[in-house]
Amino acid sequence: GQNIDQPTEMTATEGAIVQINCTYQTSGFNGLFWYQQHAGEAPTFLSYNVLDGLEEKGRFSSFLSRSKGYSYLLLKELQMKDSASYLCAAMDSNYQLIWGAGTKLIIKP
Amino acid sequence: SQTIHQWPATLVQPVGSPLSLECTVEGTSNPNLYWYRQAAGRGLQLLFYSVGIGQISSEVPQNLSASRPQDRQFILSSKKLLLSDSGFYLCAWRGGRDTGELFFGEGSRLTVL
Repeated sequence: GQNIDQPTEMTATEGAIVQINCTYQTSGFNGLFWYQQHAGEAPTFLSYNVLDGLEEKGRFSSFLSRSKGYSYLLLKELQMKDSASYLCAAMDSNYQLIWGAGTKLIIKP
Repeated sequence: SQTIHQWPATLVQPVGSPLSLECTVEGTSNPNLYWYRQAAGRGLQLLFYSVGIGQISSEVPQNLSASRPQDRQFILSSKKLLLSDSGFYLCAWRGGRDTGELFFGEGSRLTVL
């Protein structure tokens, strides 16, 4: 079957760094997405990885290892506004997205 | 630029009542459109997707239906709502020239009582 696993909740301190992990099992693979979702709002696109390695975009970076079925989202210099849920989604061979349940990130001052 | 809108944003409906959620996309033609449901603490569940007018694929058997009467309009309906239909409904279109990422509407919060 197809499955995405990510931690349910994480807590970090303002100004610190946090890494949110995601493992996936899909029928075929056409890329890994990360989305940010604030409470009560729609998800917004953060990053896309299809090749192994690290993609950096400002304070946010995303890493992919296809051989391990593993990705992480790295958030640096955490700000209070980064408190949100972070959704991992893998695209299968039919170009459909398989979604994780999301990781709720709580930032403390 | 492309935009996507869905409405209503919030609704409270009694069990057994009908439902109609509407979604429209502007600034693009022949988009791939999606309806998702998000239950509290759970991942996004794909309900329907459409690659063109009148073309609907259903992913999960349930008492919901979808229609695409126009190229940029996607409607989610039910004749009789169940308690289990409560959730956050999201319409999306596939954009992203290089990555094909999804762009979501604002979401519709449905509470069935």
